[in-house]
Amino acid sequence: GAGVSQSPSNKVTEKGKDVELRCDPISGHTALYWYRQSLGQGLEFLIYFQGNSAPDKSGLPSDRFSAERTGGSVSTLTIQRTQQEDSAVYLCASSSTSGVWNEQFFGPGTRLTVL
Amino acid sequence: AQSVTQPDIHITVSEGASLELRCNYSYGATPYLFWYVQSPGQGLQLLLKYFSGDTLVQGIKGFEAEFKRSQSSFNLRKPSVHWSDAAEYFCAVSTSGTYKYIFGTGTRLKVLA
Repeated sequence: GAGVSQSPSNKVTEKGKDVELRCDPISGHTALYWYRQSLGQGLEFLIYFQGNSAPDKSGLPSDRFSAERTGGSVSTLTIQRTQQEDSAVYLCASSSTSGVWNEQFFGPGTRLTVL
Repeated sequence: AQSVTQPDIHITVSEGASLELRCNYSYGATPYLFWYVQSPGQGLQLLLKYFSGDTLVQGIKGFEAEFKRSQSSFNLRKPSVHWSDAAEYFCAVSTSGTYKYIFGTGTRLKVLA
């Protein structure tokens, strides 16, 4: 596609429910990243995928968070047993490779609200 | 630990006025520095980046930034602001030249007509 797309754009859920957020990266990009943007905070790195390598999960805040990337393309971020502190905008980005010199292109984000 | 500080949460300028957004970083080695802009409902867009070489970096949309190692700063500037520049601006540093960016908390720019 022309850019990184994310769905849904908005998600409202009740505390304790599971949610799935989807990211479609730019076609051909091998690197994919998830970030969380909380109110008044900068972007927080969550997880990184590069090709078929094991993902870097070092930024995931708890074991309630998980992500997968199928076929080296689409990625899903899953939050189990959501808590109110999970409310944030979740941003996905992709780049052609993982080098720092390769620009990360960001999607518009999914705004998650946990009631 | 590495960190990025954007001391101004909000800045308001008149259209046509000059702009400077401040960014300070804490990082021991040579940093890889970035400025991103986020318009309402949009993803982040890269304005410019600094890796090495000339400390004055030109970016898109008429923006530039200057790397000052002695001050650990990477301030973003624009000589004449347009109403369409109203957005949130994020400074970021790459740790150890990797994909792991540390972002500042952002500066929200308001432009008065």
